Amino acid sequence: EAQVTQNPRYLITVTGKKLTVTCSQNMNHEYMSWYRQDPGLGLRQIYYSMNVEVTDKGDVPEGYKVSRKEKRNFPLILESPSPNQTSLYFCASSLTLGREPQHFGDGTRLSIL
Amino acid sequence: AQKVTQAQTEISVVEKEDVTLDCVYETRDTTYYLFWYKQPPSGELVFLIRRNSFDEQNEISGRYSWNFQKSTSSFNFTITASQVVDSAVYFCALSAFHAGGTSYGKLTFGQGTILTVHP
Repeated sequence: EAQVTQNPRYLITVTGKKLTVTCSQNMNHEYMSWYRQDPGLGLRQIYYSMNVEVTDKGDVPEGYKVSRKEKRNFPLILESPSPNQTSLYFCASSLTLGREPQHFGDGTRLSIL
Repeated sequence: AQKVTQAQTEISVVEKEDVTLDCVYETRDTTYYLFWYKQPPSGELVFLIRRNSFDEQNEISGRYSWNFQKSTSSFNFTITASQVVDSAVYFCALSAFHAGGTSYGKLTFGQGTILTVHP
């Protein structure tokens, strides 16, 4: 089954404790992206990647890091999380950049205390 | 810069009513794609439809229909005879293409419209 898998689905943690949200897709897509969803703001892009070792900033990259060492994986790293990063996060992948619908993971709800 | 505006924050209807969700977009590019996604209470994002800027044909799929008008930069979504299962957050999104630009193919979402259908 074609899917984008995010882990964990839920996480409550404390300020400053490094965390990683993993994302994996099994569709051989080149394009992957991370979004955060906040009430009234829709989904905002954090980082995206057009291929292995090619990543770029989205609209709200501050406080986040990403890496793309393999085509299927695109982890999101919060090196020193802060309460304003409490949000619902989605990973997405697509065959092409912008022309095809994106396949989204089920989301990760992060709470930073 | 590209922008998507969904002016309706929340809409509440009674089952069987028709409801239209508005989407207005801004882009200076002539080549772009528009999308609608649905987010039911369970939280996942479900793709509904894609339109490109060269295809202004309206589309009907069962109870759903979409009206794309380049003259008003709108891509509105209508649900006919709404049902409780239609209750969700609906997002409109835009990706535009221009060579060398910083927003090449980037997907920009609107703020979302919360639709509640009451029995």
